Amino acid sequence: KQEVTQIPAALSVPEGENLVLNCSFTDSAIYNLQWFRQDPGKGLTSLLLIQSSQREQTSGRLNASLDKSSGRSTLYIAASQPGDSATYLCAVRPNSGGSNYKLTFGKGTLLTVNP
Amino acid sequence: DAMVIQNPRYQVTQFGKPVTLSCSQTLNHNVMYWYQQKSSQAPKLLFHYYDKDFNNEADTPDNFQSRRPNTSFCFLDIRSPGLGDAAMYLCATSRLAHEQYFGPGTRLTVT
Repeated sequence: KQEVTQIPAALSVPEGENLVLNCSFTDSAIYNLQWFRQDPGKGLTSLLLIQSSQREQTSGRLNASLDKSSGRSTLYIAASQPGDSATYLCAVRPNSGGSNYKLTFGKGTLLTVNP
Repeated sequence: DAMVIQNPRYQVTQFGKPVTLSCSQTLNHNVMYWYQQKSSQAPKLLFHYYDKDFNNEADTPDNFQSRRPNTSFCFLDIRSPGLGDAAMYLCATSRLAHEQYFGPGTRLTVT
């Protein structure tokens, strides 16, 4: 059974700092990995999707990497801003036929960026 | 803009009174999902539709049902809500096994 762990559970940084959020998964047979952002009381916003054949994806100040063999992904946020404050979740999709549509989520990292 | 829409955003129902949450999408995606998310927890998949093919998760209570009358719409029916069903309900869509897009969620309160 796939398990996804995100460390740390919470992170507080001053504005302008570069930071890294970590995600690890137990089963390396994944189809893709997706990073989401969730603001309090809101839905999930997709940030980046990395296919299993890719090593990284970039969007603006965000860079996500994937090391499938070691079961790890990182989300790098450059020059953090107070507006980046949110919960960040990673989720993996299995590479296994009939259950290919199910995402397994981590519990998220609550990020606070202080002005 | 193409998007996933959920109505209502907030729903209050009484213990045991049936409630229906709705989701619509303009993305023309063939897969639609319903998740339950409780406070400080990861979203939990309840079921998903691949086109009209319904796929229930093994641990989804029988109290939860779903309907997908067409590609654009999907409904979550809770037949007899209990206090433990109070949660955020999230609808998502994807084209096959590609990127999932989520709606804003419906916050359900059970009194």
